[in-house]
Amino acid sequence: KAGVTQTPRYLIKTRGQQVTLSCSPISGHRSVSWYQQTPGQGLQFLFEYFSETQRNKGNFPGRFSGRQFSNSRSEMNVSTLELGDSALYLCASRIQGPNTEAFFGQGTRLTVV
Amino acid sequence: TQLLEQSPQFLSIQEGENLTVYCNSSSVFSSLQWYRQEPGEGPVLLVTVVTGGEVKKLKRLTFQFGDARKDSSLHITAAQPGDTGLYLCAGLTYNQGGKLIFGQGTELSVKP
Repeated sequence: KAGVTQTPRYLIKTRGQQVTLSCSPISGHRSVSWYQQTPGQGLQFLFEYFSETQRNKGNFPGRFSGRQFSNSRSEMNVSTLELGDSALYLCASRIQGPNTEAFFGQGTRLTVV
Repeated sequence: TQLLEQSPQFLSIQEGENLTVYCNSSSVFSSLQWYRQEPGEGPVLLVTVVTGGEVKKLKRLTFQFGDARKDSSLHITAAQPGDTGLYLCAGLTYNQGGKLIFGQGTELSVKP
């Protein structure tokens, strides 16, 4: 069974640009969460989607947004990139509710220059 | 703000030694999970503890959830070089869906 797939794996962008990251959850999984991982702050929750609805949102500025499609694939968008947005962005999928195991993808390494 | 304080942040030990990693919070968690992350990879779930006072064993790894469900520990017996990696604790709180609150992580290095 294929795991969580995140694309692209690596990305270099310039300050002020915008970026879209993609996450394909495990087949049959309906919940997708996004996390930002940096050396200074560790893993921080961005948002969670379930059946195309945002169920929860972390404490990030409005420049960070996301969505989920009917096939459970999810995208997150960061607009007006800042140097501090450089991080590993991780996606996790669950089959359904929060008490089911979260499976993480390999992440997208975003570098803002 | 809910926080999980994980310690130590870095640990460098010799093969065969024992070690313990701690996660503490002032918040109560419905469950607590331990992950291991290798460089360039996403975290992989090791164990989930749900009941206060619960102890789970996974080969040489022993996980404990505090009675009050505010803290947890991971104990590794006779560490091996293959145990090297980043260990993360993460808690789920009530009424916040699948939002995981992560500790800062413990970077473990086991030297042969």
